[in-house]
Amino acid sequence: EVQLVQSGAEVKKPGQSLKISCKGSGYIFFNYWIGWVRQMPGKGLEWMGIIYAGDSDTRYSPSFQGQVTISVDRSNNTAYLQWSGLKASDTATYYCARTYSSSWNSYFEYWGQGTLVTVSS
Amino acid sequence: EIVLTQSPDTLSLSPGERATLSCKASQSVFSKYLAWFQQRPGQAPRLLIYGAFSRATGIPDRFSGSGSGTDFTLTISTLEPEDFAVYYCQQYGSPPATFGQGTRLEIK
Repeated sequence: EVQLVQSGAEVKKPGQSLKISCKGSGYIFFNYWIGWVRQMPGKGLEWMGIIYAGDSDTRYSPSFQGQVTISVDRSNNTAYLQWSGLKASDTATYYCARTYSSSWNSYFEYWGQGTLVTVSS
Repeated sequence: EIVLTQSPDTLSLSPGERATLSCKASQSVFSKYLAWFQQRPGQAPRLLIYGAFSRATGIPDRFSGSGSGTDFTLTISTLEPEDFAVYYCQQYGSPPATFGQGTRLEIK
């Protein structure tokens, strides 16, 4: 069974750094892309970027380029989303999702449960 | 970047009725790379439709997708109580992938 298990909720202060994780299991990790999706409180879904677990090829939405870093640790079957200086506007639930195939332009077939990040002074 | 505009923002219907949700793209969606997701409160999105009209595994046949180019539709033939949720379309053919703003399907 394919599963994506995300790290737990975080509460941080503005300016702090953060790295959240998404661990894949039940499939060959390096054969697929994992993407990250933001959902601000009460709002819709926003595609942030995607990484190929096989070679770390990464694509970002222009809206998020330079704001976050997406990475992967193949030895641990885990993808990461990180910030170097959080802002209050980063408060949101972040979902990871796996593509159906080894192409970046493939639909998200499996989703993690979401990680709530709260940034407040 | 392809902008997806969903309509209506909110749709109020009763169980047993038919729902028709629209998704219009600012430019043609490559190769019908259009998906629909359902999101219930407090849950992650769930894939319903991919490739504009193919149902994902385990999705009931009351859900159907259609369309091409810039106009796509999600139809729920006979609403069940569990169908009242928010629905998003997404294009994944042209970078960056983008989502529509969502349609909330609420009980009338």
